[in-house]
Amino acid sequence: SYVLTQPPSVSVAPGKTARITCGGNDIGSKNVHWYQQKPGQAPVLVISYDSDRPSGIPERFSGSTSGNTATLTISRVEAGDEADYYCQVWDTNSDHYVFGTGTEVTVL
Amino acid sequence: EVQLVESGGGLVQPGGSLRLSCTASGFSISSYWMSWVRQAPGKGLEWVANIKQDGSEKYYVDSVRGRFTISRDNAKNSLYLQMNSLRAEDTAVYYCARDLGYLAYMDVWGKGTTVTASS
Repeated sequence: SYVLTQPPSVSVAPGKTARITCGGNDIGSKNVHWYQQKPGQAPVLVISYDSDRPSGIPERFSGSTSGNTATLTISRVEAGDEADYYCQVWDTNSDHYVFGTGTEVTVL
Repeated sequence: EVQLVESGGGLVQPGGSLRLSCTASGFSISSYWMSWVRQAPGKGLEWVANIKQDGSEKYYVDSVRGRFTISRDNAKNSLYLQMNSLRAEDTAVYYCARDLGYLAYMDVWGKGTTVTASS
């Protein structure tokens, strides 16, 4: 089955840039979506189709893909960005949605 | 306001059954695929199953296929998950989500309902 691997944690100082990676075989050929989940809350979509920002998501959130890695970038990080972040694709071989392992972002 | 509300969670003994419901408001589920996603305590998100607008296509994660059944009633604007032969590893918060279909994502989520399979 298709596997998406994320670093367990990323720490970043306020005002700096956080980069969260999502590794998967030839992920650059797939549509990658990203969710933010704060403790005790449901996930919220922050990036769709690799780099599209849904309405209401700050411009500080951006996405990109290349080769075997997708990246979610959070610029000018704020305390309110502390959350778990998950990447997600649809695996056409298994007809399954697949989520990444998740990354906890801590703002120092 | 577009909203999904799950219900039906609870404590059940291993081997038991439970039926989850999800009622939508602010939109008609008949126009959308719908999904169930779960999250075990302290763990990541796991997609469980989804169903096409007319119910003609259903997909399941391998670990629940044959035990769980996803269904929908578009007239009631509701989605369901029948869970049989529950195991301890099915313990999780179960989220209902609006699913934009093939190659896409889930754009509206409920707050979740908790299922605990334990003796």
